[in-house]
Amino acid sequence: EAGVAQSPRYKIIEKRQSVAFWCNPISGHATLYWYQQILGQGPKLLIQFQNNGVVDDSQLPKDRFSAERLKGVDSTLKIQPAKLEDSAVYLCASSFPGTDYQETQYFGPGTRLLVL
Amino acid sequence: AQSVAQPEDQVNVAEGNPLTVKCTYSVSGNPYLFWYVQYPNRGLQFLLKYITGDNLVKGSYGFEAEFNKSQTSFHLKKPSALVSDSALYFCAVRPTGGSYIPTFGRGTSLIVHP
Repeated sequence: EAGVAQSPRYKIIEKRQSVAFWCNPISGHATLYWYQQILGQGPKLLIQFQNNGVVDDSQLPKDRFSAERLKGVDSTLKIQPAKLEDSAVYLCASSFPGTDYQETQYFGPGTRLLVL
Repeated sequence: AQSVAQPEDQVNVAEGNPLTVKCTYSVSGNPYLFWYVQYPNRGLQFLLKYITGDNLVKGSYGFEAEFNKSQTSFHLKKPSALVSDSALYFCAVRPTGGSYIPTFGRGTSLIVHP
């Protein structure tokens, strides 16, 4: 089966510019996650969707980050305006919803963002 | 607040020797525990998870992990290391109640020498 797709793979922008990332989860996976992975750290959850509804966005910096999953499939994550500290790898993951969120997450290859 | 500690930034082991990558956690209530592996320029791949039941969990590529509730640990092990096991390993915890937010450790780089 096809894995989680993400694009672009790499992006370089200047601070204060805007950027958007796209994710297509595994077919049939209703749960979708966006993570931020700063160099030398583990992934940090930004937002979790169940179908097109937000389950948790408590760690999303809402003054500059936004995410949507309008039709319950693809998702986009946007940063506007970007700051230097947003330089990181942005990972998308999906899972088939189970009970109590014990299900395995499947990760995409990530988008590496560099803000200059 | 929940947390995961991976006390070693790097673990070095000779090929054929047993390996252990350590993980301890802190969470309210019972945990779900996961190990993921990350190869260069690739996303995380699932290795194994503990949900309930037997404390010894077997996963992909010959890896296993033991859940120790009293020590709040979930160490990853393999009886005989391969050079191809060299990668970055992440431990993650997810509470069984409350927010369900998963928390990852900062990762341990495993280097297996020929």
